[in-house]
Formats: sequence, structure tokens, C-alpha cells
Amino acid sequence: DAGITQSPRYKITETGRQVTLMCHQTWSHSYMFWYRQDLGHGLRLIYYSAAADITDKGEVPDGYVVSRSKTENFPLTLESATRSQTSVYFCASSVGRGVVEQYFGPGTRLTVT
Amino acid sequence: AQSVTQPDIHITVSEGASLELRCNYSYGATPYLFWYVQSPGQGLQLLLKYFSGDTLVQGIKGFEAEFKRSQSSFNLRKPSVHWSDAAEYFCAAGGGNKLTFGTGTQLKVEL
Repeated sequence: DAGITQSPRYKITETGRQVTLMCHQTWSHSYMFWYRQDLGHGLRLIYYSAAADITDKGEVPDGYVVSRSKTENFPLTLESATRSQTSVYFCASSVGRGVVEQYFGPGTRLTVT
Repeated sequence: AQSVTQPDIHITVSEGASLELRCNYSYGATPYLFWYVQSPGQGLQLLLKYFSGDTLVQGIKGFEAEFKRSQSSFNLRKPSVHWSDAAEYFCAAGGGNKLTFGTGTQLKVEL
């Protein structure tokens, strides 16, 4: 039972480049989430998705794009990476339908130089 | 706006001592409440949750938390800390399928 996986685990990219972070879950959970974790800020929600083809903005969506063509995948794209997007990114999922607890992937550490 | 406050950024305790991590929330109604733990380089693991009912909830690894409506608090406790409990702990409050997280408390355990 793989659960929720993220790839890559570590990524270094240059300012201005496009980069995509992948998230895959095997539970068929309805909801999926992307967070970024920064010192002093805890986890902040970037985007979330209630189902395939349904996405919505979170607290800090600027500079990010998401898609969800399949229930199990929820990629996060930085269209033109900036140094302020250096962070640890976590994907999470939940059953949905009023169940709030979320299950997290191992994270992707992204450095933008 | 919803918010979760963890007033202690760092806490150091001796192994075998008791532990209490504080969490206060601000929400329109009583939210669902959670504690997560994050070990270095890892994702977040759910320790325990409160939805309704008994205000003292038990979780994994010997942790418990008490919900106090009058104080808008959900403090995490453990009677005897083990060195392996050293980690970062996050309180979260949720409703409508979204969670709001506190900024975390880093726990150091002295041997």
C-alpha cells in the first residue's frame, strides 16, 4: 500500500524555469491539497481539489498552477520559478465528504537559485 | 478568519518528564481539531483528532489532548517523554474539508 507519494523528493532549479512537482495517491481519496512549509509560517495551503477537474485556490496560490485530470494525481507547476518559492512542498489527501483529516506525502524540497 | 496559534516555538524537556504543548484556535464554530507530528525530513503524521464527544482524546505513541471550549484550546500532553518524541508538532483546525495549521512547536528532548 503505497499511500501518497511525491516526486521528486529534492529539486534545484533556476529562476525563471518551469518546474512540476508530482503527487500520486492510491487511496482514491476525493480531496487533494498542496501546501508549502516555510519557517515561521507553518503550512500554508496553495491549492486544493475536491475531485477530478475541480480545483480551487488556497491561501497562497500566486505563481502556481494545478490540474487534476485523474483522481489519483495532482501535479503542481511553478510556471516561472522565483527565489521566494524555495520551500518544502507537501501534498495531502483526504476522503472528503465531511471527513477532514488529511494524510500527507513525504514532501519535496525545492530550491530556486 | 480562522486561525490556530501555537505560542511556543521551541520547548525542551528531559526524557521521562511530562509534556504539554499549547494550541489555541479561533473559528466560527467548534472546528475539528488535530495534532500532527513531523520528524526531520518526513511528512506529517496524524497523532490524534477531536470531532465531538469526550473532550479528552487518546492518540498514537502515548499522546493525548484535551479540548476546552471555554478556552478555545486543544493542548497536547504526554506523561513521560521519550527521546524519539523529538520532532515538530503542529496543531490544526478544520471544517469544510480544509485545515488551518499553527506554526508548529519544535520539541527537543534532553537525555
